[in-house]
Amino acid sequence: EVQLVESGGGLVQPGRSLKLSCAASGFTFSNYGMHWIRQAPTKGLEWVASISPSGGSTYYRDSVKGRFTISRDNAKSTLYLQMDSLRSEDTATYYCATTGSSLIDFWGPGTMVTVSS
Amino acid sequence: DIQMTQSPASLSASLEEIVTITCKASQGIDDYLSWYQQKPGKSPQLLIYDATSLADGVPSRFSGSRSGTQYSLKISRPQVDDSGIYYCLQSYSTPYTFGAGTKLELK
Repeated sequence: EVQLVESGGGLVQPGRSLKLSCAASGFTFSNYGMHWIRQAPTKGLEWVASISPSGGSTYYRDSVKGRFTISRDNAKSTLYLQMDSLRSEDTATYYCATTGSSLIDFWGPGTMVTVSS
Repeated sequence: DIQMTQSPASLSASLEEIVTITCKASQGIDDYLSWYQQKPGKSPQLLIYDATSLADGVPSRFSGSRSGTQYSLKISRPQVDDSGIYYCLQSYSTPYTFGAGTKLELK
């Protein structure tokens, strides 16, 4: 059974950093692209970043480019999102998701990030 | 960026109706279109991928179709459990973009 479990969310002040993790199990992690998607409170879904199976290719939305870094450790079956220079508009639930039948197939339950002073 | 214009924003339907939700892409996306259902407090679940393919375990009352750059999700004889918010996603090119969502209420 595919499982994705995000962690690392919390309350952080504007301008500070936070690192999210996503532990994967139930599939061969190193064979699949991975993604981060976020959802601000009461708002819709927004793609944040993606990474290829090897980690050699990464993609970001413009608003996080240069501030967020997606990475993966295939030996640990873990996906990461390093978030620097956080802004209030980054407040959201962050989901990790894996490629499967669709580019974005199975989602984790999410972890909440609140950026506030 | 590719814009996905989703409609309606909300709808209330009876259990006997056929429900149709649409997403119009601002340019061609070669059927790189998925549909998701999200229930309150939960993560989204994949329903349809590649515009018309049913994801594993999804009931056959859900179906997807395309006409030009307009994509549709149809729910035939919806069940009460189908209440929730539905989103489309284009994965043709980055930034991948979601529709704004359709809130479905079953009466």
